[in-house]
Amino acid sequence: AQKVTQAQTEISVVEKEDVTLDCVYETRDTTYYLFWYKQPPSGELVFLIRRNSFDEQNEISGRYSWNFQKSTSSFNFTITASQVVDSAVYFCALSPNTGNQFYFGTGTSLTVIP
Amino acid sequence: DTGVSQDPRHKITKRGQNVTFRCDPISEHNRLYWYRQTLGQGPEFLTYFQNEAQLEKSRLLSDRFSAERPKGSFSTLEIQRTEQGDSAMYLCASSRGGQGASGNEQFFGPGTRLTVL
Repeated sequence: AQKVTQAQTEISVVEKEDVTLDCVYETRDTTYYLFWYKQPPSGELVFLIRRNSFDEQNEISGRYSWNFQKSTSSFNFTITASQVVDSAVYFCALSPNTGNQFYFGTGTSLTVIP
Repeated sequence: DTGVSQDPRHKITKRGQNVTFRCDPISEHNRLYWYRQTLGQGPEFLTYFQNEAQLEKSRLLSDRFSAERPKGSFSTLEIQRTEQGDSAMYLCASSRGGQGASGNEQFFGPGTRLTVL
């Protein structure tokens, strides 16, 4: 079975705080890909990052960083010094190599309070 | 604008009517996907095309739903005899094909929000 769990439904932080969004996945595929997407109030899903199952290096892009740990089947996303523009729903997704679809989590709604 | 476009953006219909949505993918992408998203949920896969061939359908896609991609470019999604439970956002996405295509990011359109009264 393929499954993505985002246990945090809603998170509120004050501007400039750091925040981590959790993502736990399940798959029996040995090769798979993990993604994070942002869905702002306008509704369009915006691609943030892709990681393949063989690359466990953490990645940093500006204020964003990602921590991939196969041992715990987690792919967590941290926003440093959050800004109001970061307010959105964030989705984690799994794409198994043997499949043709993305499996999305239920999303985490982040509100950054000025 | 070279992104994925969808038309219409909003559709309100009465129960029992048929509706059709259109998706224009990024021109060089040969893979096209349809997803459905309800409030508070992530997108759920409906169907997938590689060029003009519909290669996979979710069990969510009942026989009232049909999708086509006749020339391997734009795609349509038709819902016949709409029900209130069909109310959702219908998202289209496209991606590059080729080896390792499952790892390619999908680019999403703005969606069509369907309301069935």
